Amino acid sequence: DAKTTQPPSMDCAEGRAANLPCNHSTISGNEYVYWYRQIHSQGPQYIIHGLKNNETNEMASLIITEDRKSSTLILPHATLRDTAVYYCIVRVTETSGSRLTFGEGTQLTVNP
Amino acid sequence: NAGVTQTPKFRILKIGQSMTLQCAQDMNHNYMYWYRQDPGMGLKLIYYSVGAGITDKGEVPNGYNVSRSTTEDFPLRLELAAPSQTSVYFCASVDSTDTQYFGPGTRLTVL
Repeated sequence: DAKTTQPPSMDCAEGRAANLPCNHSTISGNEYVYWYRQIHSQGPQYIIHGLKNNETNEMASLIITEDRKSSTLILPHATLRDTAVYYCIVRVTETSGSRLTFGEGTQLTVNP
Repeated sequence: NAGVTQTPKFRILKIGQSMTLQCAQDMNHNYMYWYRQDPGMGLKLIYYSVGAGITDKGEVPNGYNVSRSTTEDFPLRLELAAPSQTSVYFCASVDSTDTQYFGPGTRLTVL
């Protein structure tokens, strides 16, 4: 799986959009970008994933650059409950024994 | 639809004791995983299963055993607990898009 680079921490005001960047310059053509988050003491939670097109769901939007070397997770209206560690993971979608490699992630703190 | 459930939530064991961590999912997923997460660290894969009756080792299997007699259940057995097994244990199941759904975790302390 390709390596990812994320800022260690970010702050965001409640109600504002939170934009979390991720660099994955060594991504291969068949690798997807996944985002998970882990709220303190809880199990990781899937947020969104994509290959090359931008994606949106009820939780967030994922913007992937045209060269696929970086992406941004957007939480459109951050709330205090969005405070968590956010992980960007790049991987081929095959599941035969391949674990998720959670890097350091970005600690997002949403402030009132 | 409960998703992935784990019991117990917390447990304290003495060195040498044994226990089984329970994991169940109601999403009919074939793939299931057991991870452990030490404080401030990422997840490490202990065992995984690709379907009922099929299990295989992950990167840190020593001291653990698993079974998968049904699609729904994937229990993790600790034999002869050691302080090094103090950790938070997460079970996950995987859908056809390779999205992993995690349980709430079991916090285990071995004293």
